[in-house]
Parts: sequence; C-alpha cells; structure tokens
Amino acid sequence: QVQLKETGPGLVQPTQTLSITCTVSGFSLTSYYMQWVRQTPGKGLEWMGFIRSGGSTEYNSEFKSRLSISRDTSKNQVFLKMNSLKTEDTGVYYCARDGMDAWGQGASVTVSS
Amino acid sequence: DVVMTQTPVSLSVAIGQPASISCKSSQSLVGTSGKTYLNWLLQRPGQSPKRLIYLVSKLDSGIPDRFSGSGSETDFTLKISRVEADDLGVYYCLQGTHFPYTFGAGTKLELK
Repeated sequence: QVQLKETGPGLVQPTQTLSITCTVSGFSLTSYYMQWVRQTPGKGLEWMGFIRSGGSTEYNSEFKSRLSISRDTSKNQVFLKMNSLKTEDTGVYYCARDGMDAWGQGASVTVSS
Repeated sequence: DVVMTQTPVSLSVAIGQPASISCKSSQSLVGTSGKTYLNWLLQRPGQSPKRLIYLVSKLDSGIPDRFSGSGSETDFTLKISRVEADDLGVYYCLQGTHFPYTFGAGTKLELK
C-alpha cells in the first residue's frame, strides 16, 4: 500500500528556514521521482520541484535560489528545505509521487512572527 | 511559463446530470516523446488532491468510467457523464510537459 506522510514545523518565523520531511512506504525512492507541491491562498497549487529516482533534482525557477530537495533512501525519506521565508509562503506543502499519482496529506505551514 | 486556463470557475450541477470542464494551455502540451502530459485532479474539501486522469484520457485505477478526458495540443476537457455526490470539490488540470509544471486555477463543482 502506497503511503506518503509529510511532517513539518507548523509555524516558522519570517526570514527563517522551512524543513519538511516526507516519509514514504509501499514503494522505493530509487524507482520513482518525488515531487513537492504547495498550495497557498495567494497562488493556489504550485509545483516546486522534484528529485529523480537517480537523485538529481529539478526546481521551479520561482523557488530555485532558496529551495533544496534531497533524500535518504535508507530511511525512505525525502526532504524539502526552503530559506528566507516570507509571510506569502504560508500554505500547505505536499509531497507527491512521480506523475502525481499519490499524495501525502500535506504539512500546514504558517510564516509569522 | 505555460498558463493553464480553466473554465468555468464554478459549476452547479444536479445529481445525475452531466458536467464538463475546459482547460486551455498557452502552448502545446505535446512533448518531445510525442506524449501529452495533461492530468486532471480532484481536491475534495479538506483533502489532498487526487489524480483522476493522466496523459489526457487515461483513467487512474479505481476511478469510475463516468469520468472521461479528451483533447489535444492546447485544448482539453474533463467530462462527468452523471454527477454523484462524491464528485463534489475542486477540479484542477496540470501540465507536466514543460518546466515549470503548472496547474489551472481550479473549477469548483457544487450541487444544484
């Protein structure tokens, strides 16, 4: 059974760094791309980037300068790190598999002081 | 970036009636492989998005055949032959041909 679950901090202060972990089960990270998508009140659904099954990454240029996606295949985990957070980064952050055929429940993030 | 324009913004449909949602892209979604990476997703209230259709017209496992997708190049349509209560929510189109991948703004399906 394919499962994805995001865990994150909930509240982050402006200018700080956001770190979210996506833990997967039921499939191997070495066989599938893993995507990150966010949903914000201002812009709706936005594709942020992905990490390929081989470990290389692709980012949306909108976030490229402050976004990093990595993984630990031994722990079945994918990581999102984004720095220099702003209030408009408030939203729900999702990990999704490959062609978006499976999604996590999302991690709600509020950027506020 | 490829702009995905969905219409209508909202749709009020009685149970058992058909529904249709349009999605137009600002450039062709035919990729170098010849495949067209156009997906349809449904986000029910309080839930994550769920993929219904991929590659324009292929239904995901477990999705009833009341749903169908069609289109080519820049013009795509999602049809529901007979709306059921479980179909309510926001429908999104998503293109995965060009970086960055982009979503439509969504179409909210409500009960009449």
